[in-house]
Amino acid sequence: NAGVTQTPKFQVLKTGQSMTLQCAQDMNHNSMYWYRQDPGMGLRLIYYSASEGTTDKGEVPNGYNVSRLNKREFSLRLESAAPSQTSVYFCASSGPNSPLHFGNGTRLTVT
Amino acid sequence: GDSVTQMEGPVTLSEEAFLTINCTYTATGYPSLFWYVQYPGEGLQLLLKATKADDKGSNKGFEATYRKETTSFHLEKGSVQVSDSAVYFCALKGQGGSEKLVFGKGTKLTVNP
Repeated sequence: NAGVTQTPKFQVLKTGQSMTLQCAQDMNHNSMYWYRQDPGMGLRLIYYSASEGTTDKGEVPNGYNVSRLNKREFSLRLESAAPSQTSVYFCASSGPNSPLHFGNGTRLTVT
Repeated sequence: GDSVTQMEGPVTLSEEAFLTINCTYTATGYPSLFWYVQYPGEGLQLLLKATKADDKGSNKGFEATYRKETTSFHLEKGSVQVSDSAVYFCALKGQGGSEKLVFGKGTKLTVNP
């Protein structure tokens, strides 16, 4: 099925560990996004990429880095995980005349 | 900057009850407005949208009307079902070229049989 695929679905990290969340879309969308979802906070934009080769900070970028590897893939890296980064992470993509399409999320716990 | 405020939940209704979830926004110009729905364990899905004032978006029995004068986009459904239990997010896309969405905090709806 066409859409946005995120891996892994679940992850537990210890404080200070690093990891990369992977995201790929097969809808030929130019724009891709990383959001985090926390109880009572809604969705907050971490980083986005308007096109291949460009990335920009969103509302809460501290502690994260991103790579737009190609048009399809947009990864999110936590270099040194902290308990405050425990969250559900969603990748999304969009095109000029299409709505935001979301992946099913990565549930990350940092202990 | 642009922002969205939606009613806090949770909202609990009985099946066949009338649903309203309020959403108001702050933005310059004429943003596009959206309602997204998130079912348990899943990502968000577009429910409906409206791109200009007085437009009515509708889908699956849900409706919302873009009211410029009150900067509102309230979600309504005349008769909810158990399967409508989910978290609902109001969102806007600014008038400029960016495709970024600004989301409200979400309203959890539970419908009991």
